[in-house]
Amino acid sequence: DQQVKQNSPSLSVQEGRISILNCDYTNSMFDYFLWYKKYPAEGPTFLISISSIKDKNEDGRFTVFLNKSAKHLSLHIVPSQPGDSAVYFCAALSLAGGTSYGKLTFGQGTILTVHP
Amino acid sequence: DSGVTQTPKHLITATGQRVTLRCSPRSGDLSVYWYQQSLDQGLQFLIQYYNGEERAKGNILERFSAQQFPDLHSELNLSSLELGDSALYFCASSPTATSEAEAFFGQGTRLTVV
Repeated sequence: DQQVKQNSPSLSVQEGRISILNCDYTNSMFDYFLWYKKYPAEGPTFLISISSIKDKNEDGRFTVFLNKSAKHLSLHIVPSQPGDSAVYFCAALSLAGGTSYGKLTFGQGTILTVHP
Repeated sequence: DSGVTQTPKHLITATGQRVTLRCSPRSGDLSVYWYQQSLDQGLQFLIQYYNGEERAKGNILERFSAQQFPDLHSELNLSSLELGDSALYFCASSPTATSEAEAFFGQGTRLTVV
């Protein structure tokens, strides 16, 4: 049961253009959403997050949009740079009780390639 | 450098064997999380320990177990290994039991079962 899905395995973008990475989720109990970036041979590193009570959060070149009614979030990178080439994971967190308490649920990841 | 150290970086072993993966959390972090990333899969949460005790359990097989020691380092034990256990295993740490969103990840251990 894949509660968080990234349906695009890969995305290729020209330097300077916008990169849009998408993520869908099925669990309406998720309270918090995060994006991680992962370079080869390294662990995921936190990029940006958004609370379920907001619909947008911006940090420099990175903006995350949340559409709760569609259970969809997206990460926009503007302008894209070659150094942004990495695997991007979206993740969701539910702070409800039970054994899933505090458990991050990750999508499969999208490989972003930014061409010079 | 995230401050989370995982050893070994690479491990190759035969089916049926048992291995131990080690994780040293960031200084001051009390929670340790283990994740598995298989081919074409996102990171799957396995288990969380907080201050030496199991805190949350995810999709962890019965053949797998973990523990957190008094010095807060953690070990993930994988036994009766199967080909499908080949994956990247990540450890992450965070300050408290509920600060998973603030977790920092280690570089991972790549396990290959042959």
